[in-house]
Amino acid sequence: SQTIHQWPATLVQPVGSPLSLECTVEGTSNPNLYWYRQAAGRGLQLLFYSVGIGQISSEVPQNLSASRPQDRQFILSSKKLLLSDSGFYLCAWTFTGDTEAFFGQGTRLTVV
Amino acid sequence: SQQGEEDPQALSIQEGENATMNCSYKTSINNLQWYRQNSGRGLVHLILIRSNEREKHSGRLRVTLDTSKKSSSLLITASRAADTASYFCATTLGSSNTGKLIFGQGTTLQVKP
Repeated sequence: SQTIHQWPATLVQPVGSPLSLECTVEGTSNPNLYWYRQAAGRGLQLLFYSVGIGQISSEVPQNLSASRPQDRQFILSSKKLLLSDSGFYLCAWTFTGDTEAFFGQGTRLTVV
Repeated sequence: SQQGEEDPQALSIQEGENATMNCSYKTSINNLQWYRQNSGRGLVHLILIRSNEREKHSGRLRVTLDTSKKSSSLLITASRAADTASYFCATTLGSSNTGKLIFGQGTTLQVKP
């Protein structure tokens, strides 16, 4: 069966520090991968999505970046965090663009 | 911009009552999906309805789709306190293989025991 792992669950980082959030999927090949951010009480904002290794589409201009070094690994990074980067980050995968999405448990990031 | 917009933003009902949430979208779709999110957790898929379907049932859930009005509704019958959560609709922008999954702002449902 397929599973998705996202870590860490919570993270407190100072302004200006780097960020690396990792997401891995098991039990499937060539998934579509997504990073979303959710502000408190709000909907999901699509940040990046990837349909293959090295193929990253950026949805929102920001100081975040994403990489897909392996087929089932998706990494969200920042060189210097801003206060506005605080939020709940969710990784997800789908078989194709319009099938059911499977979500990780999320990372609560607080930038102080 | 969001593809799907839910209405109402918040809903509070008593246990046993029905809850109806609506979703409107802007472009043509292959399907529309509904998800549930418990506070502080990831989203869980509830149901997918294809563009050639008008209604779909899953347990106490009933989803309708009106492609002419670009809208969908999620009905939860005989609600329980455990149904308290946020509910999101989602559609795909782009092709079915490489399109991106876009979520609405969600409806927060509170079911009072």
